[in-house]
Amino acid sequence: AQSVTQLGSHVSVSEGALVLLRCNYSSSVPPYLFWYVQYPNQGLQLLLKYTSAATLVKGINGFEAEFKKSETSFHLTKPSAHMSDAAEYFCAVSDNTDKLIFGTGTRLQVFP
Amino acid sequence: DTGVSQDPRHKITKRGQNVTFRCDPISEHNRLYWYRQTLGQGPEFLTYFQNEAQLEKSRLLSDRFSAERPKGSFSTLEIQRTEQGDSAMYLCASSFGSGGREQYFGPGTRLTVT
Repeated sequence: AQSVTQLGSHVSVSEGALVLLRCNYSSSVPPYLFWYVQYPNQGLQLLLKYTSAATLVKGINGFEAEFKKSETSFHLTKPSAHMSDAAEYFCAVSDNTDKLIFGTGTRLQVFP
Repeated sequence: DTGVSQDPRHKITKRGQNVTFRCDPISEHNRLYWYRQTLGQGPEFLTYFQNEAQLEKSRLLSDRFSAERPKGSFSTLEIQRTEQGDSAMYLCASSFGSGGREQYFGPGTRLTVT
């Protein structure tokens, strides 16, 4: 069975600091991996996805993630946090059925 | 392309009542998914359709839940005899094709069962 673990339910950074949100996955088949962002009372918006092409994936709003098979990880990073990045971030995995299995989420706070 | 829409955005109902939610996917998207999200958790898969065919249902989907997509366009999710444990955000998403395609999410319907 597929699963996703997000380490750290809350992450706080200062504006301009590096953002690192951790995601580890478990999958018996080559996975598709996704990062979604959710702002309060809104649906989810895709930040980026990995589908077996390049292992370093660039997404919207300056975010990127690196697929590391040996570590079963897909951590999300952004070099310099902005106040508007404050939101909940979800890592998700899917297989050929395409249903998404989400982690429990990480709430990012950005302080001025 | 107006995005995925869901109606209503909020629903308050009394325990034991039936409720129905609607999802309108992005036009020409052949796949439609329903997820449920409770406070502090990530969304959990409920069911999905390819065109009008319901291809998979989660064990989370008890017999009080039913979903339809009669013409392969909009979908409805009905909950009969609601329970307080059904209180959650119900999210709909759509995509075109398969194999890691992006799912576009609607704003969700927040259900509160009193």
